[in-house]
Amino acid sequence: NAGVTQTPKFRILKIGQSMTLQCTQDMNHNYMYWYRQDPGMGLKLIYYSVGAGITDKGEVPNGYNVSRSTTEDFPLRLELAAPSQTSVYFCASSKTVYEQYFGPGTRLTVT
Amino acid sequence: KQEVTQIPAALSVPEGENLVLNCSFTDSAIYNLQWFRQDPGKGLTSLLLIQSSQREQTSGRLNASLDKSSGRSTLYIAASQPGDSATYLCAVSSGGGADGLTFGKGTHLIIQP
Repeated sequence: NAGVTQTPKFRILKIGQSMTLQCTQDMNHNYMYWYRQDPGMGLKLIYYSVGAGITDKGEVPNGYNVSRSTTEDFPLRLELAAPSQTSVYFCASSKTVYEQYFGPGTRLTVT
Repeated sequence: KQEVTQIPAALSVPEGENLVLNCSFTDSAIYNLQWFRQDPGKGLTSLLLIQSSQREQTSGRLNASLDKSSGRSTLYIAASQPGDSATYLCAVSSGGGADGLTFGKGTHLIIQP
C-alpha cells in the first residue's frame, strides 16, 4: 500500500513551457485534491475532485487544469508556466469526510 | 471566507517542556479540524483529526482540543523531544471534506537538546 505518490519530485521549467504533475493513490479514495505551498505559507487549494469524471475549482485555480478519468489518478496540468507558479505542489486524497492523506510533494521552479 | 491563524509563528524551547500551539478559525461552521506535522522538504503527516462533534483527541504525547463555538483549537505536546522539531499546521474542513482544507501558516517548532 503506497498511499499517495507524486511524480516528479523536482522540476525546473522555463517560462511558457507546460507540464503535467502526476498523482496516484491506491487507497480507493473518492476525494482527491491539489494544493500549492509557497515559502512560509500554508497550503492553498487549487482543484479538487469528488470522484472520477468530476472536478471543481479551489481557491487558486488560474493557470492550472485537471482531469479525473479514474479513481486512482488525478493529474495537474500547468499551461504556459509563469514564475508565480514556482511552488511546492501537494496531492492529497480522502475517503469522504475522513482525514486527508498527502503525497510527498513536487518542487517546481519556473525561471 | 474561512481564515485560519496559528500562534505563535515560531517557538524554541528546551527539551522536556510541555508546550501549547494555538489555532483559530473565523467560521465556526466546520466539519472537522486536522493537525499536521511537516518536516523540512517533506510532505505532511497527519497527527490528529477532530470531528466537529468532538472536544479532543489524543495520540501518545499529543493532545488536541477543539472549541468550535469560539473558533479555537490547541495542540498540546507533552515532554517535548528534539525529534518533535518541525512545522505544525492546523487545517479545517468547512464543507464535509468535499472542498478541501483551509490551512494556517503553521508554527515552526524547535526543541533544543
